[in-house]
Amino acid sequence: AQSVTQPDIHITVSEGASLELRCNYSYGATPYLFWYVQSPGQGLQLLLKYFSGDTLVQGIKGFEAEFKRSQSSFNLRKPSVHWSDAAEYFCAVGARAGGTSYGKLTFGQGTILTVHP
Amino acid sequence: DGGITQSPKYLFRKEGQNVTLSCEQNLNHDAMYWYRQDPGQGLRLIYYSQIVNDFQKGDIAEGYSVSREKKESFPLTVTSAQKNPTAFYLCASSIVERNQPQHFGDGTRLSIL
Repeated sequence: AQSVTQPDIHITVSEGASLELRCNYSYGATPYLFWYVQSPGQGLQLLLKYFSGDTLVQGIKGFEAEFKRSQSSFNLRKPSVHWSDAAEYFCAVGARAGGTSYGKLTFGQGTILTVHP
Repeated sequence: DGGITQSPKYLFRKEGQNVTLSCEQNLNHDAMYWYRQDPGQGLRLIYYSQIVNDFQKGDIAEGYSVSREKKESFPLTVTSAQKNPTAFYLCASSIVERNQPQHFGDGTRLSIL
């Protein structure tokens, strides 16, 4: 069964500092990988996705993520954080297999980002 | 604009009562999903449906029921058998093709009176 681990429950950074949010997955083959962001009381917004090809993927709001097969990781990065980036971030893995499991996502527990001025 | 509409935004349940959460999408997506979100636990899948008139249990289906009579609609009923229903409920939809990303509604917060 697939699983996702986000080791950091809460991260605090200063505005303008760089950011890296960690995500480790467990899956028997190359997975589909996603990062979502959630503001309080809202739904989830897709930041970026990895399906295949270039292991460094660019997303919205200046975020990027790098897929590292050898480390089973898909860490999210941003060079300079803005106060508006404060939110909860979720990593998710999707199954490539067909059948009824196709399209299902497994989410990590989330990382809450606090940004200090 | 295309999107997913969840209603109501806030819902209160009395003991022994069933309540139904609405989810409507106009994205023409075949698949729809219901998640439960509790603090520190991420999103847990309750039920999902890949086609009209068919749905599958997710990881925490006990105490919940769904129907999928129309492509656009996937209502979730929280039954009285669900003893701890207080949570944030999220509905999502996606194209069932090459694992396209899921699109989410803005959620319904359910509380016990």
